[in-house]
Formats: sequence, structure tokens, C-alpha cells
Amino acid sequence: DGGITQSPKYLFRKEGQNVTLSCEQNLNHDAMYWYRQDPGQGLRLIYYSQIVNDFQKGDIAEGYSVSREKKESFPLTVTSAQKNPTAFYLCASSSPGRGSEKLFFGSGTQLSVL
Amino acid sequence: AQSVTQLDSHVSVSEGTPVLLRCNYSSSYSPSLFWYVQHPNKGLQLLLKYTSAATLVKGINGFEAEFKKSETSFHLTKPSAHMSDAAEYFCVVSVTGGGADGLTFGKGTHLIIQP
Repeated sequence: DGGITQSPKYLFRKEGQNVTLSCEQNLNHDAMYWYRQDPGQGLRLIYYSQIVNDFQKGDIAEGYSVSREKKESFPLTVTSAQKNPTAFYLCASSSPGRGSEKLFFGSGTQLSVL
Repeated sequence: AQSVTQLDSHVSVSEGTPVLLRCNYSSSYSPSLFWYVQHPNKGLQLLLKYTSAATLVKGINGFEAEFKKSETSFHLTKPSAHMSDAAEYFCVVSVTGGGADGLTFGKGTHLIIQP
């Protein structure tokens, strides 16, 4: 089945620790995105990548980093600089061209601080 | 600049009765509008989208939405609610052709279905 796989489903971070969230897609989509979701809030864009080896900051990039070495993969690292990391993180992808606003989402990773 | 306001944080209806989820938008350009649904601990799924064709848009699972430019609204409706409709619903605005990095999400409406 084609889709987006996020892992792990649940993740716990200790103070001062960096953690990495995985996102893999087999939809052959060029563009990939990371969103943060807090309770009662809409989704906020952290980083996005339109093509391999290129990525741009979204609205709330501080304290996060990404890489895009392969088309299929777009991991997100939550660094120790992110002081309030507890949230639900969603990865998405889209195909280029007309209708590129349609996003396909993974099932998310819930990150909590110990 | 663009923004979207979902007028209700929670909506509760009885099974078999109509559903109305309200969304107002603001956009400097010709907007594209979307409704996404999120079931608990899941990713979002596209319900329907408006991109300047017919103003009444039909989506999956019996949902539809009407684009009203004069009211800057894009309300989501369904004639008869089903228990499986219980979820979080997000209204989303974008500049037409602007790509997914330009999406603005509403804060969501939690739909509760009473048996």
C-alpha cells in the first residue's frame, strides 16, 4: 500500500536530549512537510522540502532541524533548544503541479518530555 | 495575507441529524479552500476542496461544502450524522496554485455524535 509511515508512534525526551522522528513515504512525492499540532490549535508548519537536498523553514522552525538526503525520507530532529517540545507531530507529502495543495498525512508521533 | 476562523470549537449532534461546521476565511487573493478530517491519534485526510470551479463541493462520506464569496464562508454540512463521523475537522485556506507550504489551518472543530 502506498502511504506515509511515521515512527515511533510515541516518543519520550529527557531534558537536554535530541530526538529524531522518522518519516518515510512511498508515494513518489517530491514535497514533504513537518507540522506540529497542539491541543485546540491548528497545524503549524515546521519545515518543508520541495526536492531532495533542499528544505526551507516554516513558521516555527526554531529548535528543530531536518534533512532530505533521499526522496522517500524526511526525518525531523527536535533539539534541546526546543524548550516546549511536547506535541503531536505530523509528516505529510504532496505531488507537484496542479492540486499540489492536497496533502497526504502520516499517522503522527506523540512526543512527550520526561 | 490569509486567515481562517472556525466558529465553533465543539459541535454536538445526535446520530441521524444534520451536521453544520462553520468556517470563515480571509484572503487577499483568489482562495483555495479545503476541509480535512482527523480521527483520534491519526493523520489528517482530505474531505473536499474548492478551487474556483463549482461553488458547491461534494466530498467523501456524504459531506459537502458551499463557497460563498459574499459571506467569505465555506461551511461543511452533512444531511445525516453517523457515529463514525466523530472526529476533529479542520478548515484550510490557500492561495490557488500556491502549493501546500502556503496552507493556513483553522484551529479545528471537534464533532461529537450522540447516540
